[in-house]
Parts: sequence; C-alpha cells; structure tokens
Amino acid sequence: TQLLEQSPQFLSIQEGENLTVYCNSSSVFSSLQWYRQEPGEGPVLLVTVVTGGEVKKLKRLTFQFGDARKDSSLHITAAQPGDTGLYLCAGEGNQFYFGTGTSLTVIP
Amino acid sequence: KAGVTQTPRYLIKTRGQQVTLSCSPISGHRSVSWYQQTPGQGLQFLFEYFSETQRNKGNFPGRFSGRQFSNSRSEMNVSTLELGDSALYLCASSPGTRNQPQHFGDGTRLSIL
Repeated sequence: TQLLEQSPQFLSIQEGENLTVYCNSSSVFSSLQWYRQEPGEGPVLLVTVVTGGEVKKLKRLTFQFGDARKDSSLHITAAQPGDTGLYLCAGEGNQFYFGTGTSLTVIP
Repeated sequence: KAGVTQTPRYLIKTRGQQVTLSCSPISGHRSVSWYQQTPGQGLQFLFEYFSETQRNKGNFPGRFSGRQFSNSRSEMNVSTLELGDSALYLCASSPGTRNQPQHFGDGTRLSIL
C-alpha cells in the first residue's frame, strides 16, 4: 500500500505549457519534500515545506503544502525541456514515505 | 560540501551470491537510509541507521541487512541474491532531526543474472 499517491503518473506536454502535479495522502506529515530524478542519477531535492498552507517558489516552480499537511502540489509555469524528469514527493513521518512518482516529458 | 557517495555504481551478480554496497554520507549527517527503486514498485524503504543503530526498518526479508560505522558510513548487504533483487539501490543521508530533508547519492545499479 502506497502512503502517498501522485497524479498524474505520466505527463507529456509542449514547451511553454503549464502543469500541476499532485501528491495526496490520508496521513499527516511533519514536512514534505519534492525531488526531481533524471535517468541514471539519484533524486535531487527541490524544496522542503513544513507549515500547513505554506507556498514556496523556486523560479518557475511553485510548491504548496495543504492546510492539513496531508497533501501537496507542484505547479510549473512555462515548462522547459530541462524540466523533464521523474518528480517525487516524500512525506516525513517516523520515516520518509515516497510517492508513486510523476514522469514528466517536455517536448521542445 | 561533498555529496552522498555510493560505491560501486554498477554491479553484476548471479543468483545465490551475496553483495555489499557502500554509502558515505554528507559530512556531519548522522542518519543514513537505504531504498530500493524499481520501475514497478517505485522507491521502497529498506532501513534507516542513526548513530550506528537501526532506527527504522521497511518490509523486506532478512536477506537484506545493513550496518553503520562510527564515522556514519553505512553498508548494505544482500545475501542469496534473487532475480527480483535487480534494482537501483539508493542511499540518502540527513542530519537525522525533524524537518531536515534527505540528500541522495546516485545509487548502485545491481543486476542479477
């Protein structure tokens, strides 16, 4: 059973489009992280959110932590080919629980 | 600051053999976690070590074991390898306190023939 469900599982969009990835759970987390992983490499940390309702921006990426600290979203504005990769969310409980992943392909 | 280092990067073994993977965490990090990543199952938690003690354990058989040394470096051992053990094994380190994220190495790609 996966504690964190991500949607969509796969996403293929044109360069310049906007997109949102969702990370949902019925469990409360003390913090939530988003990672991006490229083939042959380990996941790279993008952001950590801690407070319910928190919004963080990283250039064209906007991350939001749900008010109840059970879910999160990642919004990318004007996607670029360099955004291509596997996006993973991870919730912190007594261990880190990883989401099912969203594979994003941005077509030039 | 050096990142998390995993060795070796690639490994090929046959069924029934055993293997040891190594992870050197970021300097100052006391927690090391191990994950198995496969296309079908995603990232699955194996175990976490903190100050040389196993703090958490995932749902893997006893063939998977680990240890952590006084310098925080960690090793993971898999005995009696099976075809299904083929995966990317990732190590992540963190300070080990609340709200401190994990940082990953690039993994060891293990292939079982």
